[in-house]
Amino acid sequence: AQTVTQSQPEMSVQEAETVTLSCTYDTSESNYYLFWYKQPPSRQMILVIRQEAYKQQNATENRFSVNFQKAAKSFSLKISDSQLGDTAMYFCALRVDMRFGAGTRLTVKP
Amino acid sequence: ETGVTQTPRHLVMGMTNKKSLKCEQHLGHNAMYWYKQSAKKPLELMFVYSLEERVENNSVPSRFSPECPNSSHLFLHLHTLQPEDSALYLCASSQARLTGYEQYFGPGTRLTVT
Repeated sequence: AQTVTQSQPEMSVQEAETVTLSCTYDTSESNYYLFWYKQPPSRQMILVIRQEAYKQQNATENRFSVNFQKAAKSFSLKISDSQLGDTAMYFCALRVDMRFGAGTRLTVKP
Repeated sequence: ETGVTQTPRHLVMGMTNKKSLKCEQHLGHNAMYWYKQSAKKPLELMFVYSLEERVENNSVPSRFSPECPNSSHLFLHLHTLQPEDSALYLCASSQARLTGYEQYFGPGTRLTVT
C-alpha cells in the first residue's frame, strides 16, 4: 500500500524567512516520483517541484528545494525568502498511483 | 481557453437530481483524472483515463459515472448523490499516465448535495 503523511496541518512564517514543510511516505516500489503541489485560496493546484526517486540529488526550483531522504522515506519542502504569494495549501504526492497527503496550510505573514 | 477548464464552478443539487460535471483540457494530453477533495481529507483519486480508456476506478460508488468521449473531454455524471458527496471535484490531465509526468489541475467544481 502507498501512503503519504503530512504531519503539519497548519504552519506560518514571516515574510522573507525560510520554512520547511514535512512529508513522509511509504511504498514498496523502487521507482517512483514525488511531487509538491501548491493550491492557493480559490485557485488551481499547480506543481511546485518534482523529485525522481532514483536521483540522489535534491531537486530545486528557484526559492523551492527539497530534502529527499530515500532510506527514511522523507520528502520535505523548503521555501526560502517566503513571499505573501506563497500562502496556500501545500500537498505532497507520491506517484506510483498518485497518493496525496492531507496537506499543510501555510500562511506567510507580512 | 488554456490549460484545464471545468464547468460548472459551483453546483448545488438535491439527492434525487442528475447532473454532470465537465472537464476540458487544451494541452494535448493523453491521460485525464477525476479527484475528490473533501475538507480535512487527502485528495482521493476517483478515476483515471488513458487514451479515452478507463484504466483505474478506485472503488468509487456507482452513483458516480465517468465518461471520456475523447482525449480532450472528461465528464462525471452524478445521480442520487448523498450529502457526504459534497466536496470539491478536481479534474486533472497529464501527458501520459506514466508516473513521471506532472498533472495539470482544473479549478474544480464545488458540489453541494442538499
